[in-house]
Amino acid sequence: GEDVEQSLFLSVREGDSSVINCTYTDSSSTYLYWYKQEPGAGLQLLTYIFSNMDMKQDQRLTVLLNKKDKHLSLRIADTQTGDSAIYFCAESKSSASKIIFGSGTRLSIRP
Amino acid sequence: DGGITQSPKYLFRKEGQNVTLSCEQNLNHDAMYWYRQDPGQGLRLIYYSQIVNDFQKGDIAEGYSVSREKKESFPLTVTSAQKNPTAFYLCASSVAGTVTGELFFGEGSRLTVL
Repeated sequence: GEDVEQSLFLSVREGDSSVINCTYTDSSSTYLYWYKQEPGAGLQLLTYIFSNMDMKQDQRLTVLLNKKDKHLSLRIADTQTGDSAIYFCAESKSSASKIIFGSGTRLSIRP
Repeated sequence: DGGITQSPKYLFRKEGQNVTLSCEQNLNHDAMYWYRQDPGQGLRLIYYSQIVNDFQKGDIAEGYSVSREKKESFPLTVTSAQKNPTAFYLCASSVAGTVTGELFFGEGSRLTVL
């Protein structure tokens, strides 16, 4: 079946790196996403990676994909207070397929 | 500016009442979706529509109904048959056939049953 799992909470010190982890069960997943939800708002796509890639970097964000272990991670370098949000991992088989979301990881930043 | 507008942002309902949540988009997207979000749970798909006058049930459609009479609009009715309707409801849209299948979300509607 389809399942996406992630831990519910992560706390990091301002300026440190944050690493949010996700595991998924469907080996036919082709697209893997990270969405960000700020308090009281909808989700916004942060970044995505195709299953034929191992890594994608975009400014402070690094996505790592271990397809063998079905493990996806999001690293945020130099974490700032504005990064406080819930981060959702998601996957789909194709661009036209249903997107399956994880439970979200709430990232909190301490001074 | 293009986007998705959900209304109302907050809604209170007595038990036994039906309520309708509005979702309007001016992005010219073909597909629209309704998700339910509960604390500590992922987004769960209620209904989706890929074209006008057509829609499909998602994973938790019981107690909900939708219509898609116009491309821009996809209202969700939470009926009295929904046993636990208190939740945050998110509407989303996407362009059919995009490379990434990215979803664009509204700001959400929080429904509380008194």
